[in-house]
Amino acid sequence: QVQLVESGGGVVQPGRSLRLSCGASGLTFSTNVMHWVRQAPGKGLEWVAALWYDGSRHYYADSVKGRFSISRDKSKNTLYLEINYLRAEDMAMYYCVRDGGMLRGLFDYWGQGTLVTVSS
Amino acid sequence: QSALTQPASVSASPGQSITISCAGSSSDVGGSDYVSWYQQHPGKAPKLMIYDVSNRPSGVSYRFSASKSGNTASLTISGLLAEDEADYYCSSSTSGTTLFVFGTGTKVTVL
Repeated sequence: QVQLVESGGGVVQPGRSLRLSCGASGLTFSTNVMHWVRQAPGKGLEWVAALWYDGSRHYYADSVKGRFSISRDKSKNTLYLEINYLRAEDMAMYYCVRDGGMLRGLFDYWGQGTLVTVSS
Repeated sequence: QSALTQPASVSASPGQSITISCAGSSSDVGGSDYVSWYQQHPGKAPKLMIYDVSNRPSGVSYRFSASKSGNTASLTISGLLAEDEADYYCSSSTSGTTLFVFGTGTKVTVL
C-alpha cells in the first residue's frame, strides 16, 4: 500500500523561503520518478517539478524555474521542494506525486497535499 | 506552455453518457502518447482514471473510456452515476521545457 505524506506548508511572507517534504511508505524514491504538482485555491492543477529516479536529473516548469528546487534524501526516503522568493502566485496546495510511467506523466499515487499560504 | 482547454462544465442525468474534450496543440496532445485523465472530488487529491491516451488503471470502472484525435483528447463517461460528480482534468506531456501541462478542468454535474 503506497502512501505519500506531505508536510512543511504554512503561512509565509512574500519573498521568504520554504521547504516542503514528502515522506513515503510502500514506495522507494530511488526507484521512482517523483513530481510536485500544485493547485491554487479554486483553480486547476499545475505541474511544478520532477526528479529522475536516481536523482541525476531535475525538471521544472518554466513558471518556477530558478526559484524552486526538487531534491531527495535517499537515507530518509524523503522528497523535498524548496521554494525561494515566495510570490503571491505560489499560494497553493502542493501535492507529491509518483510517476508510474518513468516520466510519462502517469500520476498514479498522490499525497493529501500541503497548503502554502503567502501573506504578509 | 498554456493549459489545455476543457469545457468549464458538463451536466447530464444519471444513466446518460457525457464526453469531455481536451484541446491542445501539436506540441502537447497532438504529439504525445502520454495523455492522462484525473478525477478530483472536493477536498481530495486527484485520482488517475486514464493513462497513455486510452488505458484504464486497475480498479477504474469500464464506464470510463478515452481517445485522441489530432490535437484533441476526449474522456467519455457512460452510465453516469451520482459518484461521478467531480472535477476532471486532462494532462499531456509536451515537447517544451515545461514537461507536462494540465487542462483547465471540467466540473461534471449529475442532475
